[in-house]
Amino acid sequence: QKEVEQDPGPLSVPEGAIVSLNCTYSNSAFQYFMWYRQYSRKGPELLMYTYSSGNKEDGRFTAQVDKSSKYISLFIRDSQPSDSATYLCAMSDPYSGGGADGLTFGKGTHLIIQP
Amino acid sequence: DARVTQTPRDKVTEMGQEVTMRCQPILGHNTVFWYRQTMMQGLELLAYFRNRAPLDDSGMPKDRFSAEMPDATLATLKIQPSEPRDSAVYFCASGLGGTADTQYFGPGTRLTVL
Repeated sequence: QKEVEQDPGPLSVPEGAIVSLNCTYSNSAFQYFMWYRQYSRKGPELLMYTYSSGNKEDGRFTAQVDKSSKYISLFIRDSQPSDSATYLCAMSDPYSGGGADGLTFGKGTHLIIQP
Repeated sequence: DARVTQTPRDKVTEMGQEVTMRCQPILGHNTVFWYRQTMMQGLELLAYFRNRAPLDDSGMPKDRFSAEMPDATLATLKIQPSEPRDSAVYFCASGLGGTADTQYFGPGTRLTVL
């Protein structure tokens, strides 16, 4: 079992829909949780960052962390065609050898927003 | 607008050839990461440096891969000899050591080994 599991998709939704993207993980020591967005032929860019459990909102994006279930989510409201990309979750254990910046990534979910 | 730069953007080579990829981290960042991305494995950490010293290269095939930081503005990843299974996109990222939210990725080098 991989440390971080993420459905690769593709996930196709109509413009304006609410999108839910998810990751599960097995390492209970993870404390930092991130979502990266990657457009085709580009590098990943940090979209959302949360520490420990709870919710964080930034515009149309909401990140949720449920450490008791080892489950994180990214919600996108009023989805736009420009949101079409691959979304990767990432997490880290600040007390591991790799430190807070030793990220473990999911494989990414390919999201398509249909106009 | 500070960003990580990588060269070349695309590289096609034949099996057995040496490949060198270069990365210029963001000025002031003290940590540099090398990742490899494939459809099958996703994004895998190969090696990373802090203050130019290698901290972890356990993700790298040691017999053919090597990573160095000759100075604070240049990181290199070499593959010698290259094999078809090395075909992937190689990303460099830089960040401020010890922080989870300051890792910035370059555009990647798309390597194809024939």
